Amino acid sequence: GAGVSQSPRYKVAKRGQDVALRCDPISGHVSLFWYQQALGQGPEFLTYFQNEAQLDKSGLPSDRFFAERPEGSVSTLKIQRTQQEDSAVYLCASSPGLYYEQYFGPGTRLTVT
Amino acid sequence: QKEVEQNSGPLSVPEGAIASLNCTYSDRGSQSFFWYRQYSGKSPELIMFIYSNGDKEDGRFTAQLNKASQYVSLLIRDSQPSDSATYLCAVNPLYNQGGKLIFGQGTELSVKP
Repeated sequence: GAGVSQSPRYKVAKRGQDVALRCDPISGHVSLFWYQQALGQGPEFLTYFQNEAQLDKSGLPSDRFFAERPEGSVSTLKIQRTQQEDSAVYLCASSPGLYYEQYFGPGTRLTVT
Repeated sequence: QKEVEQNSGPLSVPEGAIASLNCTYSDRGSQSFFWYRQYSGKSPELIMFIYSNGDKEDGRFTAQLNKASQYVSLLIRDSQPSDSATYLCAVNPLYNQGGKLIFGQGTELSVKP
């Protein structure tokens, strides 16, 4: 079946611009996670949803980062007033439920110039 | 002390040999353990997960978990050049009530023909 999809795959933004990153989870997966991966490092947790409820946003680095999943399926990660330090790969993962295995999408590589 | 620690490598093994990848974690109450493979420029791909002490085998891969010693390992038998990648260990710690994963920095594996 179809895996997790993310769009866009690549995004170049000028410093100060707002960006929106989309994630389509595996059909039927109730849990959705966002991670940030810097070059040479493992992914770092940002936030997660159980259906439409955002249960943990402790990993969001600043109040410029905002995520939503209004209908419990597609999720959007929004970054306002992008900074150079926001440049990274943003990974979305979905899971059949909490504590189960997570399946990652291809990621969005964000470059802030 | 990092929550999840891996040797960054690179670990180099000849084709056909057994590759042994190790990971230690700090939260003694951790319940779920995952191994992901990540090719350069790609997203993490789940290859094994283990919840109970002991060994779990899947094809050429064996995951080993020792909760008393707080380590989890991945053995790759009959290593192939196509196994060359970064292997990420991920742990779901008990203190976390929501299933987010804590990743190590990854071990780079190189299988030489």
